[in-house]
Amino acid sequence: DVVMTQSPLSLPGTLGQPASISCRSSQRLVHSDGDTYLNWFHQRPGQSPRRLIYKVSNRDSGVPDRFSGSGSGTDFTLKISRVEAEDVGIYYCMQGAHWPYTFGQGTKLEIK
Amino acid sequence: EVQLLESGGGLVQPGGSLRLSCAASGFTFSSSSMSWVRQAPGRGLEWVSSIDGDAIGTYYTDSVKGRFTISRDNSKNTVHLQMNSLRADDTAVYYCAKGGRATDFWGQGTLVTASS
Repeated sequence: DVVMTQSPLSLPGTLGQPASISCRSSQRLVHSDGDTYLNWFHQRPGQSPRRLIYKVSNRDSGVPDRFSGSGSGTDFTLKISRVEAEDVGIYYCMQGAHWPYTFGQGTKLEIK
Repeated sequence: EVQLLESGGGLVQPGGSLRLSCAASGFTFSSSSMSWVRQAPGRGLEWVSSIDGDAIGTYYTDSVKGRFTISRDNSKNTVHLQMNSLRADDTAVYYCAKGGRATDFWGQGTLVTASS
């Protein structure tokens, strides 16, 4: 199975300041259709995960533009340009290039 | 508006069975793969199973192969997960998810507890 490794696992964020989460995969995430299936999800306490970014860098409808995704091959990043209070929760990267699809361990963002 | 409503969770003894259902609306169901993803209490996310829109292709993670069966009824916009021979480590919230490799929407989940 493809192993997804996130860092850091705990992220003390400062309101108004940038934050960044790294996700590395044990295999390249390019599918045979040519797309790179690396998605980012955000889960608030007691809620189901919500997709923020799909195929590395495409922001979902309604997702604030302070969120951005980048990367290629096996190395990916989620960036928040200015942390807001509503951004707390756990962020997961997920690969959909190889079955079984797998997730990173999660990065917990808290406001310090 | 996309909606996914899971049902069928509950408490079951190890070795028992449960059937989860997911009622979908707000999108062209038959054109979309559907999946089940689970989250053990206080833990991360694990992909369980997926089914193609035409129900021809089904996929399972190794830990549930031979015990779980995914199916769908495109006339009723529902997807099911039949879970047999449940084990304690199957205890989790089970989420129904629209799509597969680029899944874009999840339901609120249903809790399955396998315990004596």
